[in-house]
Amino acid sequence: KQEVTQIPAALSVPEGENLVLNCSFTDSAIYNLQWFRQDPGKGLTSLLLIQSSQREQTSGRLNASLDKSSGRSTLYIAASQPGDSATYLCAVSPYGQNFVFGPGTRLSVLP
Amino acid sequence: DVKVTQSSRYLVKRTGEKVFLECVQDMDHENMFWYRQDPGLGLRLIYFSYDVKMKEKGDIPEGYSVSREKKERFSLILESASTNQTSMYLCASTFEGYNEQFFGPGTRLTVL
Repeated sequence: KQEVTQIPAALSVPEGENLVLNCSFTDSAIYNLQWFRQDPGKGLTSLLLIQSSQREQTSGRLNASLDKSSGRSTLYIAASQPGDSATYLCAVSPYGQNFVFGPGTRLSVLP
Repeated sequence: DVKVTQSSRYLVKRTGEKVFLECVQDMDHENMFWYRQDPGLGLRLIYFSYDVKMKEKGDIPEGYSVSREKKERFSLILESASTNQTSMYLCASTFEGYNEQFFGPGTRLTVL
């Protein structure tokens, strides 16, 4: 059964730093991987979707990469801002199964 | 932009009440999902539907039922609310074959 982990569980950085969030999954048979942002008490906002045939996707200051063979994805945030403070979740879409979510990384960007 | 809406942001109910949570999406998505999210347990799938009048159990269906009479609307029903159903409930939808999930704003349900 597919399992998804995220490291670190929490991260605190000063404003302006570049940072990397990690997502690992146990089975490489996936359709895609999606990164989300969740603000406290709110729903999930889709940030980036990487199809299984792709290696990376970019949106503004965000860049997500996917290495299916090693079961890893990273979310790179450039020049972090206090407004980036949120919980970031990754989810994989395995063949023949429903979506599997990671537990999330709680990010705090200090002004 | 895809929009997924949920009927309430906050809801307070009494033990034993019947509770309806509604989710509506405006992009003609075939697939719809109900999750609950609890601290330390992450997102857990309650029920999902791949088409009108179709429903499938997720990982934790006990104590819940669903209804999908129209393609755009997916309702979650708590037949007799209990305190252990206090949670954040999230609805999501996807377009068949593409699998990008879009979520609603969530409903924070408190059962007293």
